[in-house]
Amino acid sequence: GAVVSQHPSRVICKSGTSVKIECRSLDFQATTMFWYRQFPKKSLMLMATSNEGSKATYEQGVEKDKFLINHASLTLSTLTVTSAHPEDSSFYICSARDGGQGALGEQFFGPGTRLTVL
Amino acid sequence: GEDVEQSLFLSVREGDSSVINCTYTDSSSTYLYWYKQEPGAGLQLLTYIFSNMDMKQDQRLTVLLNKKDKHLSLRIADTQTGDSAIYFCAEIWVGSQGNLIFGKGTKLSVKP
Repeated sequence: GAVVSQHPSRVICKSGTSVKIECRSLDFQATTMFWYRQFPKKSLMLMATSNEGSKATYEQGVEKDKFLINHASLTLSTLTVTSAHPEDSSFYICSARDGGQGALGEQFFGPGTRLTVL
Repeated sequence: GEDVEQSLFLSVREGDSSVINCTYTDSSSTYLYWYKQEPGAGLQLLTYIFSNMDMKQDQRLTVLLNKKDKHLSLRIADTQTGDSAIYFCAEIWVGSQGNLIFGKGTKLSVKP
C-alpha cells in the first residue's frame, strides 16, 4: 500500500519555541492531507485539512496562527507549532489521500510524531 | 453533529473470537472503516465497508453493518496476541472534504 512518512518521530522542545513536523507521501501524489491530534485515551481529533497550493481549512477551536500548515507540494505538508506550550504536548498524526481517488479515497496515515513541550 | 461511539476496553483469550462494536449517528455516511493502532504507532486500515453492504469478510475479519440501527461491528476470529491494539471505527462524513470522524477507540487485550 501507499506509504506516508512523518519527521521527526519524536521531538522535545522548550516552552516558547516553534517546532516543525513534516508529512510526506512517498509513492503517490497527495492533493489533500489531514492533520490530527491524539490525546491519551481519546480519539483522533481532526485539526485541519490542507489542499496543495491553497490555504488549510481549520476545524473549529483550532488556532490557525498557532498551528501553521503549509502544503507546498503534492508530496509534502508541514505543521508548525508556534510558541509551543506544555499543553501542546501530544501525538500528531498526518494522513494523505491519493489525488486520483476523490473525496472518498482512502487516507494513508503517517506513523505519528510525539511532541513533548517542557 | 456527527458522533461515533465505541466501548473502551475488550479482553479476550487467545484463540477466542473478538467482537468490537461501534455506533454512529450520521446517516449519510458512505464508508465506514476499521483502523488498528499499535502502541506508539500510526493507524493501519484494516478493512472498510460501503454503506449499502450488510457484511464484508476478509480472512479473519468480518464486518457487520446494521444501517437501520447505525451499528457497526468488527469480528476477529481466532484472536492472537499480535492482535492486541487499539481499534478505531471511523466514518466518512459526506458533507465534508472526506474527513474521517473517529470513535475513541477500543483497546483489545489478548491473554495467552
